[in-house]
Amino acid sequence: LAKTTQPISMDSYEGQEVNITCSHNNIATNDYITWYQQFPSQGPRFIIQGYKTKVTNEVASLFIPADRKSSTLSLPRVSLSDTAVYYCLVGVGYNNNDMRFGAGTRLTVKP
Amino acid sequence: GAGVSQSPSNKVTEKGKDVELRCDPISGHTALYWYRQSLGQGLEFLIYFQGNSAPDKSGLPSDRFSAERTGGSVSTLTIQRTQQEDSAVYLCASSLVGEQPQHFGDGTRLSIL
Repeated sequence: LAKTTQPISMDSYEGQEVNITCSHNNIATNDYITWYQQFPSQGPRFIIQGYKTKVTNEVASLFIPADRKSSTLSLPRVSLSDTAVYYCLVGVGYNNNDMRFGAGTRLTVKP
Repeated sequence: GAGVSQSPSNKVTEKGKDVELRCDPISGHTALYWYRQSLGQGLEFLIYFQGNSAPDKSGLPSDRFSAERTGGSVSTLTIQRTQQEDSAVYLCASSLVGEQPQHFGDGTRLSIL
């Protein structure tokens, strides 16, 4: 079971870069790493997905070292609206036994 | 396009009553998931449907919980003889087979009095 471990909470200030690291020591060969963002009273929303090295999209970057036992979500120049809970999920859709969300990281962005 | 739709958005019921929660996944998505989220907590996996395969029910907390998916589309989560500890937000998600990401609805907030 690809269990994930993340910090419970993080604080940052507007305009800073935020890096949230997720540990997944038991990641399987065919597992992808996916990050979600959740605002209060809403379902989680997909941010970014990767398998190895680095992935970048319009909102974030995902860094994955060669051993894939961890991953880091990087949010550039955060704003107050980035205050949310961020979840790291490891698994693949058809290997459903591994589809488990961790407790997430509560990011608070301060002015 | 239309996202995942869940109904009702809020449900208040008395302890001991049965409740049905509905999920309309994104058209064409063959994978469907139910999760439970208690206040301030992470997501707890309940059940997973994949096409016509037998569902993975390993996350259901008790035999009072059951779910169906008719015609490979709409899903209903049923909780019988509700208890106060069943109070939570129930989230549904769908995805293309063998892939992420999952697309989530905004959930049904269930309150048991």
